[in-house]
Amino acid sequence: GAVVSQHPSRVICKSGTSVKIECRSLDFQATTMFWYRQFPKQSLMLMATSNEGSKATYEQGVEKDKFLINHASLTLSTLTVTSAHPEDSSFYICSARGLAGVIEQYFGPGTRLTVT
Amino acid sequence: AQKITQTQPGMFVQEKEAVTLDCTYDTSDPSYGLFWYKQPSSGEMIFLIYQGSYDQQNATEGRYSLNFQKARKSANLVISASQLGDSAMYFCAMREGQIQGGSEKLVFGKGTKLTVNP
Repeated sequence: GAVVSQHPSRVICKSGTSVKIECRSLDFQATTMFWYRQFPKQSLMLMATSNEGSKATYEQGVEKDKFLINHASLTLSTLTVTSAHPEDSSFYICSARGLAGVIEQYFGPGTRLTVT
Repeated sequence: AQKITQTQPGMFVQEKEAVTLDCTYDTSDPSYGLFWYKQPSSGEMIFLIYQGSYDQQNATEGRYSLNFQKARKSANLVISASQLGDSAMYFCAMREGQIQGGSEKLVFGKGTKLTVNP
């Protein structure tokens, strides 16, 4: 089946620094990738939709200058949290859809970000 | 207004019994898709089952079935013969629009935590 990986799985960074999270589709080409965040015991909230070779589309209320998304290839999208603050601590999950005729999105294992 | 409503924050079921997790949705688009995902404590989202708005029959995947009642806008997940490994969070999600060319955004409900007791 389709596999999506994320790296790192856990990251701790200091307030004010930036951290990059990678999302890779391992065995298929993902024309579209999605970035979600999930606070403890809450649901997934879509942050942005990332299309290969074009600018990401951000959801209302998500700061595009703070959460930089790059989808430079059909197998890799990155999310960079710039000038991180403790309130950015969350579980970030990516998903990908690219297989023709496949309906579901395949999710990565998630990245737990802790900002101290 | 919430697009996906899961009214059960937590559910308990005995091993080997069946359990129904509720999900209602709200959309004015005639084309939409409904999904159920399982999220174990490790965090990954596992796709379980899909129901398209034009599908005539209820979707089934092994021990999972979707009780789709279009007029009531409900898409309940039924898990038969529960196993200890079924303990997890379960999320209902919706995508509006056609499969091809429509929005690919998934809107998730708040989830139901299922606990299977031995």
